[in-house]
Amino acid sequence: KQEVTQIPAALSVPEGENLVLNCSFTDSAIYNLQWFRQDPGKGLTSLLLIQSSQREQTSGRLNASLDKSSGRSTLYIAASQPGDSATYLCVLQGAQKLVFGQGTRLTINP
Amino acid sequence: GAVVSQHPSWVICKSGTSVKIECRSLDFQATTMFWYRQFPKQSLMLMATSNEGSKATYEQGVEKDKFLINHASLTLSTLTVTSAHPEDSSFYICSASGGRASNEQYFGPGTRLTVT
Repeated sequence: KQEVTQIPAALSVPEGENLVLNCSFTDSAIYNLQWFRQDPGKGLTSLLLIQSSQREQTSGRLNASLDKSSGRSTLYIAASQPGDSATYLCVLQGAQKLVFGQGTRLTINP
Repeated sequence: GAVVSQHPSWVICKSGTSVKIECRSLDFQATTMFWYRQFPKQSLMLMATSNEGSKATYEQGVEKDKFLINHASLTLSTLTVTSAHPEDSSFYICSASGGRASNEQYFGPGTRLTVT
């Protein structure tokens, strides 16, 4: 059974810092891995999607990596801004079922 | 492309009543739709998977007679919470797959249900 763990559960950093969010998973047989952000009381916003055959994806200040052999993914956020404050979810897809991590609650302090 | 909408975005109902939530794929045909719920400070949990024209498949622990799912067309799925109770208060999110990248799921904005 696939299990997804996100560390840390919460993170608070000053504006401008670079930071890394971690995601680990137990089963490397995945179709893809996706990072979402969720603002309080809102739905999900897709940030980056990494296909099983890829190792990383970049979008603006965000970079996500995937290492299936070690069961890890990281989301790197450069030059953090207060607007980046949200919960970040790591989601794995296998055989059309998604498995969600518990999320990392990120707070960027002005 | 690949937009999914939900209606309503929030709803308050009294205990014992039923409430229906709609999930629509606006610009693609969704062969499969998924319903999730999220309790405060917890991750999303899959409730059920529905394929157009078929009965929904429910996850373990989800009461199929309480959470009625209908996927009557390729663009619409509905979730009806019957005889709602305060413990059903949650954030319900649907997703749909079947667009160009058929293994991807596109998420709706969610519906906040509060049962008083």
